[in-house]
Amino acid sequence: SQTIHQWPATLVQPVGSPLSLECTVEGTSNPNLYWYRQAAGRGLQLLFYSVGIGQISSEVPQNLSASRPQDRQFILSSKKLLLSDSGFYLCAWNQARTSGGIGETQYFGPGTRLLVL
Amino acid sequence: GEDVEQSLFLSVREGDSSVINCTYTDSSSTYLYWYKQEPGAGLQLLTYIFSNMDMKQDQRLTVLLNKKDKHLSLRIADTQTGDSAIYFCAESGDYKLSFGAGTTVTVRA
Repeated sequence: SQTIHQWPATLVQPVGSPLSLECTVEGTSNPNLYWYRQAAGRGLQLLFYSVGIGQISSEVPQNLSASRPQDRQFILSSKKLLLSDSGFYLCAWNQARTSGGIGETQYFGPGTRLLVL
Repeated sequence: GEDVEQSLFLSVREGDSSVINCTYTDSSSTYLYWYKQEPGAGLQLLTYIFSNMDMKQDQRLTVLLNKKDKHLSLRIADTQTGDSAIYFCAESGDYKLSFGAGTTVTVRA
């Protein structure tokens, strides 16, 4: 069965410091991968998605970046964190689209809570 | 998401039915989803409905889809305290899902 991991679970960082959040998926190959941010009391904002190694699509311009160095690894980074980067970061995956299936269904990791002070 | 709208809060008495409503805009969406988020956790897929269906029932959950009005609802029968969570509606798109802002359901004794 497939599992998705995120770490760290919680992170407290000062403003201006760098960030690296990691997401890995097990039990599948060539997944689509997604990074979302959920601000306190708000819905999900799609930040990045990737359909393959080295392929990153950015949904919202910001000081964050994403990379996919391996098939099942997705990394969210920042060179200098802002206060507004605080939130709950969720990674998700789905199977690469196949005809007739429910490949669009996304499965979420446990999330990383980031607090920027 | 701007394209998917939900009411933000719902309070329900334990044992009653909960109905969470959602409207969406993309008529080409193939699937529509309901996810549940418990405090401090990720999103858990509750159920989904294919766009050519009107209704889907799964134990205590009933999903109704009115494609003409682009309206989706989730009914939870016999609501329990463990059903307290945020419920997200989502519509499928090209590689992406568009999520509503979530409905916070509070179950009171």
